[in-house]
Amino acid sequence: ETGVTQSPTHLIKTRGQQVTLRCSSQSGHNTVSWYQQALGQGPQFIFQYYREEENGRGNFPPRFSGLQFPNYSSELNVNALELDDSALYLCASSKEVGSYEQYFGPGTRLTVT
Amino acid sequence: RKEVEQDPGPFNVPEGATVAFNCTYSNSASQSFFWYRQDCRKEPKLLMSVYSSGNEDGRFTAQLNRASQYISLLIRDSKLSDSATYLCAVVRGGGYQKVTFGTGTKLQVIP
Repeated sequence: ETGVTQSPTHLIKTRGQQVTLRCSSQSGHNTVSWYQQALGQGPQFIFQYYREEENGRGNFPPRFSGLQFPNYSSELNVNALELDDSALYLCASSKEVGSYEQYFGPGTRLTVT
Repeated sequence: RKEVEQDPGPFNVPEGATVAFNCTYSNSASQSFFWYRQDCRKEPKLLMSVYSSGNEDGRFTAQLNRASQYISLLIRDSKLSDSATYLCAVVRGGGYQKVTFGTGTKLQVIP
């Protein structure tokens, strides 16, 4: 196991609602990235946090936002949920911002109805 | 053109066979390359990094061809437990770790 944990494991929400997903990094890792993985696709980069600051963002709208806390745990918030937001949301931690080896948590499977 | 492309497969191979996957990338400034393995409905797990000189880990060999902009993964003596989707990941240079994944290649090893 990687030591990266995520909660909850599954979630069902209604269109228009808001959701918060959580991630705890592997011990000693200070960088967290969030990904969205739709069925049959590879993970798509949402954003990355390093030392509590957003350090890069993929092609996702502003209703996707995040936080990183002093203990390097992280949250992903999604507002105004749309049906297309249904996916597996993965967080990945890495030891340093310059290290590209990432270790994934088990993911949160979000279903929007 | 997609930034990272993989043949989705599936590749159906008998146990003991050798199988190879390729992954092409479009950005010549890409700096780091990885192979991940993903089992059905699970998270990706880092399989190996891909170095310019190539690298080997047991039955797995990864190669990088910068001139043709592709990476490859070779699996020798396939086991039933190798059945999974293999994702390649490419890191573009820059101030942050934007990792771009391919869509994955599905491998099914059959008895």
